[in-house]
Amino acid sequence: DIVMTQSPLSLPLTPGEPASITCRSSQSLLHNNGYNYLGWYLQKPGQSPQLLIYFGSYRASGVPDRVSGSGSGTDFTLKISRVEAEDVGIYYCMQALETPLTFGGGTKVEIK
Amino acid sequence: QVQLVQSGAEVKKPGASVKVSCNASGYTFSNYAVHWVRQAPGQRLEWMGWVNAASGKTKYSEKFQGRVTITRDTSASIAYMELSSLRSEDTAVYYCARWELFEAFDIWGQGTMVTVSS
Repeated sequence: DIVMTQSPLSLPLTPGEPASITCRSSQSLLHNNGYNYLGWYLQKPGQSPQLLIYFGSYRASGVPDRVSGSGSGTDFTLKISRVEAEDVGIYYCMQALETPLTFGGGTKVEIK
Repeated sequence: QVQLVQSGAEVKKPGASVKVSCNASGYTFSNYAVHWVRQAPGQRLEWMGWVNAASGKTKYSEKFQGRVTITRDTSASIAYMELSSLRSEDTAVYYCARWELFEAFDIWGQGTMVTVSS
């Protein structure tokens, strides 16, 4: 199985600060079609996860442009340019290259 | 609007089975696969398996092979996940999610809490 490792575990921020979350996979997620099979999800308190980024860097519908994804192969980063109160929750990366689909352990973003 | 609505919370005894439903609306059910993901308390999200809503073909995580059965009823636009031989470690929130062509879950159900306790 592909192991997904996220850091940091927790990210306390003040509103307006930037946020950066990293995700590393145990094997390359670069498909031979040129896409990285890596998605980012946000689980807000008490809610189901919601899709933020797919194919490593493509924003899902309705996701603000202050949220961005980058990286390729085994190393990926999710960035929020200016954190707002609505960004609070747990962020997960997930590899979609092969089954079993696997998730990172999560990064909890909270507002100080 | 496009949504997945799951059945309500369940409490089961060890050794029993549970069947959770996922009712799709707002889109053509047979055009998308439906996956099941669970989240045990304090644990990361865990993929269980999926069903091709058109063909009924399934694939399961080896971890749950033999205990999980995912089915669908295309006439009612419902997907089901049945987990048998329940143990306390199966206590979790179970989610269904729609699989989009861009290889990601774009719609999630609200989750179903399953508690396994004697």
